[in-house]
Amino acid sequence: GENVEQHPSTLSVQEGDSAVIKCTYSDSASNYFPWYKQELGKRPQLIIDIRSNVGEKKDQRIAVTLNKTAKHFSLHITETQPEDSAVYFCAAKRVSSGGYNKLIFGAGTRLAVHP
Amino acid sequence: EAQVTQNPRYLITVTGKKLTVTCSQNMNHEYMSWYRQDPGLGLRQIYYSMNVEVTDKGDVPEGYKVSRKEKRNFPLILESPSPNQTSLYFCASSQNKLLQGISNNEQFFGPGTRLTVL
Repeated sequence: GENVEQHPSTLSVQEGDSAVIKCTYSDSASNYFPWYKQELGKRPQLIIDIRSNVGEKKDQRIAVTLNKTAKHFSLHITETQPEDSAVYFCAAKRVSSGGYNKLIFGAGTRLAVHP
Repeated sequence: EAQVTQNPRYLITVTGKKLTVTCSQNMNHEYMSWYRQDPGLGLRQIYYSMNVEVTDKGDVPEGYKVSRKEKRNFPLILESPSPNQTSLYFCASSQNKLLQGISNNEQFFGPGTRLTVL
């Protein structure tokens, strides 16, 4: 089945620096890759996603890149701000034997942005 | 307001005492799912449901049951809770666009239920 690995598990940056979180997946049939942000004590919320027919997608300070050949995708946050501090989860969708879609999550990255 | 709700938000119970965590969504979503979140392990899927009366096991289903009698509700049942089920639980829902040939859908999460089993 699908397996998603996420690195690093913790990341500490200075305000204004960039942060990069990387994920690899195992199932070449996966075709949808969302990123979720979970602030302390709150629920995960989708911040950006990418489909397998696109190599890069940007939304203001965040961007996601996808390398289908290598089966890895990354989240890039530029000009980090303290409010970017949170746990970030990557995920990959795989189609199960019943034809249903399931999201498999990485273990999460705790990002701390220091003023 | 479109939302996923869960109850209770916090629960402390004892081993073996049956409990139910409710989940409800008002977005007419076909797909609903339960996850547990533990430190260092991310979000692991317990059970999911593609539509009314259609449920299937996720990656960690042992010790849990679910039902989907109505489209909006997807309760999680622990018949005999044990301490290793102490965790943070999230319900989520989304449209099932796979049937329409669309490959992605956003999952909306509930606020979470923090369960402690003593």
